[in-house]
Amino acid sequence: GAVVSQHPSWVICKSGTSVKIECRSLDFQATTMFWYRQFPKQSLMLMATSNEGSKATYEQGVEKDKFLINHASLTLSTLTVTSAHPEDSSFYICSARGPSSGGAIDTQYFGPGTRLTVL
Amino acid sequence: QQQVKQSPQSLIVQKGGISIINCAYENTAFDYFPWYQQFPGKGPALLIAIRPDVSEKKEGRFTISFNKSAKQFSLHIMDSQPGDSATYFCAASIFRGGSEKLVFGKGTKLTVNP
Repeated sequence: GAVVSQHPSWVICKSGTSVKIECRSLDFQATTMFWYRQFPKQSLMLMATSNEGSKATYEQGVEKDKFLINHASLTLSTLTVTSAHPEDSSFYICSARGPSSGGAIDTQYFGPGTRLTVL
Repeated sequence: QQQVKQSPQSLIVQKGGISIINCAYENTAFDYFPWYQQFPGKGPALLIAIRPDVSEKKEGRFTISFNKSAKQFSLHIMDSQPGDSATYFCAASIFRGGSEKLVFGKGTKLTVNP
């Protein structure tokens, strides 16, 4: 249980184009999803918290107009990188709050990530 | 104050040995401490987690030791196997502004030699 998928797993695009990444919770409903960014051999940095039916909360330094987040349903959140540039190339990972095994508190389950390369 | 410091940066262990990764934090508001395992090109997978009211938690070959007074916690991998070779991240969770936030350590690349 508690599986999170992402699509696509990798994408290559030209500078100036927009790219949409989907994050789905497959076997549970997630009122809250999170988007992270990970540079090579570095840690995960939280970009934004996405709540179903409301606006996303962005971390300091993350451009909300560049990274558009839509959490339209309890199983789907999307991240759109608008007017992508080479410096946006990174590994984008989503997570969803889901049921914790053996406990009452939810935990975060991560998707497999999307590798974005902007030429 | 929201940092989580992780060490070592890399670790090489022989098959069958014990791998130990340490983490420290400052913010006493953190209330949940998970460990994640990540293979290259994949998302992190939850390995084991602990809450501050428990000093130790064991699941199979993986054990978390938690020292609340020292604000430190560690992951022990017993009988390490080559398949355990991956990057391990500790994290700490804080509830802020109506939502949870996970703060990650910088990661430890573990190599288990056969």
